[in-house]
Amino acid sequence: GAVVSQHPSRVICKSGTSVKIECRSLDFQATTMFWYRQFPKQSLMLMATSNEGSKATYEQGVEKDKFLINHASLTLSTLTVTSAHPEDSSFYICSADGTDQSKGVNYGYTFGSGTRLTVV
Amino acid sequence: QKEVEQNSGPLSVPEGAIASLNCTYSDRGSQSFFWYRQYSGKSPELIMFIYSNGDKEDGRFTAQLNKASQYVSLLIRDSQPSDSATYLCAVAGGSYIPTFGRGTSLIVHP
Repeated sequence: GAVVSQHPSRVICKSGTSVKIECRSLDFQATTMFWYRQFPKQSLMLMATSNEGSKATYEQGVEKDKFLINHASLTLSTLTVTSAHPEDSSFYICSADGTDQSKGVNYGYTFGSGTRLTVV
Repeated sequence: QKEVEQNSGPLSVPEGAIASLNCTYSDRGSQSFFWYRQYSGKSPELIMFIYSNGDKEDGRFTAQLNKASQYVSLLIRDSQPSDSATYLCAVAGGSYIPTFGRGTSLIVHP
C-alpha cells in the first residue's frame, strides 16, 4: 500500500528559530499533499493544500509567510515553520491524496506519521 | 461551508459487542467517504472507504452509506480493547479536498 514518510517525528526548537518538516511519498507519486496541525484532543485542522510545481493554497487564518510549503517534486513536500513561537507547538501531519486522476477514483488519503513540534 | 458532524463521545462498549459510529455531512455533492482510526499521539490510518449507497464489509468493519440522508456509519463487530481509539469520518467531493469530522472516541472495555 501507499506509504508516506514524515521526518522528523519529534523536534524541540528554541523560540525564533525555523523548523523544516519533510514528507515523502515512498511508492507513489503524490500530486497533491495536505498539511494539518492538531492540538491535543482536538480535530485535524487543514492548514494548506500543496500541489506539485505550484504555490500552496492556504486555509483562512493560516499565515503563508510563517508556514512555508514547498512541493518541488511528486514525492516530496516540505513545511517550514519560520520564527517559531511556543504557540506553534503542535502535532503537524502531512497527507497525500490517493486520487487516481485517470479513473476519477479517490482511494483515500495516506497520512505521514506526524511531527510533534515543541517550541521552548 | 462543508461540514462533517460526529458525536465526540466517548462511546463505551464491552468487549465482543458491536460498536456503531455515525457521521452526517452537509455537502450533497460529496462523492467519497472514509473512515480513519487515530490512536492517541499517532496519525490517522485509513480503515475503509465507500462510494456507493449501501454496505461495504471488510473483516470486522462495515461501512454504511445513505446519500439521501447524508449519513455514513461504521460498525465494528466483536469489538476488542485494541479498537479503542478516535474514529474520524472524512468526506470528499469533486475537488478531492477532504473535510474531516472531529472524531468519535471509542472505548472498548474488557
